[in-house]
Amino acid sequence: KAGVTQTPRYLIKTRGQQVTLSCSPISGHRSVSWYQQTPGQGLQFLFEYFSETQRNKGNFPGRFSGRQFSNSRSEMNVSTLELGDSALYLCASSLGQWGTGELFFGEGSRLTVL
Amino acid sequence: ILNVEQSPQSLHVQEGDSTNFTCSFPSSNFYALHWYRWETAKSPEALFVMTLNGDEKKKGRISATLNTKEGYSYLYIKGSQPEDSATYLCASTESQGNLIFGKGTKLSVKP
Repeated sequence: KAGVTQTPRYLIKTRGQQVTLSCSPISGHRSVSWYQQTPGQGLQFLFEYFSETQRNKGNFPGRFSGRQFSNSRSEMNVSTLELGDSALYLCASSLGQWGTGELFFGEGSRLTVL
Repeated sequence: ILNVEQSPQSLHVQEGDSTNFTCSFPSSNFYALHWYRWETAKSPEALFVMTLNGDEKKKGRISATLNTKEGYSYLYIKGSQPEDSATYLCASTESQGNLIFGKGTKLSVKP
């Protein structure tokens, strides 16, 4: 069974640009969630999508957005990039009800903002 | 907003030692508690998800307990092995849906 796939694995952008990251969940998983990992803040929850709807949300500004497609694949977009957006972005998929199901993580997309 | 705290921040043990870590979380609005293991250059891997007060779960040499009334969970590793070296993360889901991670306990096991 294929795991969670994230693309691209590495990317470099400049301040003010926007970026789109992609996540393909494990087959049959309908919940996809996104996380930001930075050295100072640790792992932080961005949002969770289920059946193409944002179901849960963390505490990030509106520059961070996402969507989910009918095949459960998800994209995350960050607009007007800031230096502080440099981070490892992880996505995870899950079978179960949000919060009680195990999360299966991808390997992440490492974003560097110059 | 939840604040999930983990202690210690890092831990160095010898192979064969048993060890434990603590995760504390606000008990109000508690929904579920997760433990993940994150090895360098790999993805976080789920260990346990617990919801009920008094829950105890075990996977091989690793076990965890949950006290939702006082807001803490313990993770135990019996007979640590070098391959147990990783960062162990706990995360708490609140009833409103936010998922808050602690900053982790970094375990190093020396052969």
